Amino acid sequence: QSALTQPRSVSGSLGQSVTISCTGSSSDVGGYDFVSWYQQHPDRAPRLMIFAVTKRPSGVPDRFSGSKSGNTASLTISGLQAEDAADYYCGSFATSHSYVFGTGTKVTVL
Amino acid sequence: EVQLVQSGAEVKKAGESLKISCKASEYIFTNYWIGWVRQVPGKGLEWLGMIHPGDSDTRYNPSVEGQVTVSADKSVSTAYLQLVSLKASDTARYYCVRRVEVGAAFDSWGQGALVTVSS
Repeated sequence: QSALTQPRSVSGSLGQSVTISCTGSSSDVGGYDFVSWYQQHPDRAPRLMIFAVTKRPSGVPDRFSGSKSGNTASLTISGLQAEDAADYYCGSFATSHSYVFGTGTKVTVL
Repeated sequence: EVQLVQSGAEVKKAGESLKISCKASEYIFTNYWIGWVRQVPGKGLEWLGMIHPGDSDTRYNPSVEGQVTVSADKSVSTAYLQLVSLKASDTARYYCVRRVEVGAAFDSWGQGALVTVSS
């Protein structure tokens, strides 16, 4: 299975919005509403930020939102904060009950 | 709060085998899939496989099947990842993860175990 495709990096100023895309296929992103997003700060374990395309776990700020259209999912961070600088990975349930992650995106807050 | 506590860092030689553990607490171990994710230093996340401790059903990433084995011991709420015939390219941090049914997402992560394989 191939990794989902994400941009290598995105950047935005404090208070602005950024959107990260995650492109897969009908065997993963497009076939199921089971896309998740994970945030990882350096030397830390990843943290779940979005699940089931649009849902936020308890404790995740509402400036994080998710969406999906066809084979591409997106994570939007509105009102960018300094602590949002991190790596972000999408992930999706895939056929044969497997799982695939995205290539990862580095978010820089200017 | 759900906790996944992993065994410590390991240093191995190429060709050796290794078994990493992940002890779960504060939830019913047999009700959730528990899996493993690998991260090579400076690189992205790779899903390796998972097991449902309730019935021992296992699933693997086709790219690593045969190289890794996932198992679980319900009596001690612990999952294991076994790696065989280690190669330098297996040098990575290995995370155990709990999967929730809604969205099939990994909502809890262990602290990670760094495995270093020298040739």
